[in-house]
Amino acid sequence: QVQLQESGPGLVKPSQTLSLTCTVSGGSISSGGYYWSWIRQHPGKGLEWIGYIYYSGSTYYNPSLKSRVTISVDTSKNQFSLKLSSVTAADTAVYYCAREVVALTKNNWFDPWGQGTLVTVSS
Amino acid sequence: DIQLTQSPSFLSASVGDRVTITCRASQGISSYLAWYQQKPGKAPKLLIYAASTLQSGVPSRFSGSGSGTEFTLTISSLQPEDFATYYCQQLITFGPGTKVDIK
Repeated sequence: QVQLQESGPGLVKPSQTLSLTCTVSGGSISSGGYYWSWIRQHPGKGLEWIGYIYYSGSTYYNPSLKSRVTISVDTSKNQFSLKLSSVTAADTAVYYCAREVVALTKNNWFDPWGQGTLVTVSS
Repeated sequence: DIQLTQSPSFLSASVGDRVTITCRASQGISSYLAWYQQKPGKAPKLLIYAASTLQSGVPSRFSGSGSGTEFTLTISSLQPEDFATYYCQQLITFGPGTKVDIK
């Protein structure tokens, strides 16, 4: 079965760029049919969708984060990555990668998810 | 943008109880809604998609219903492992969550 695993620094300084990678195993990103998403959760709070990428490279970002987010894909490594620039303490959160299934234009769900990685923004 | 609200935000229940959580959408979304369970320190787990389709491997005590603007997640007989936070989701929006705690 498909499994996802996030990796990257757990501590980032304010104003710097947060960089995370999600490695997909048990299935190929290039096979298509799915979108590959990043979702975050502030401590003790709810879930916030950040954006997704398709294997072709097409992306869609949360409008609230769009100016700071870049998601890229490396099909040769079966990985996709998140970059969030100009971070502040408000970006401290657990970051999850997830596979998004889209059955119809507006019928979507996320499964599976990575285990999540806590990123703290602090000097 | 669609807004999702959940009620209650917190629920205290006992093992064996029937539990119902409601998710309301700010506009009609047909049956395009998913439900997730999240335990502390863990990633969310998909329970139900398309409002009422049980994800493979999820116990049958979980069920979903609804369409349009009002949806429910029901746990027919609460088990110890069901104490968690539950979220609804449509497109890029998640509900605020309902925490189910032990009475």
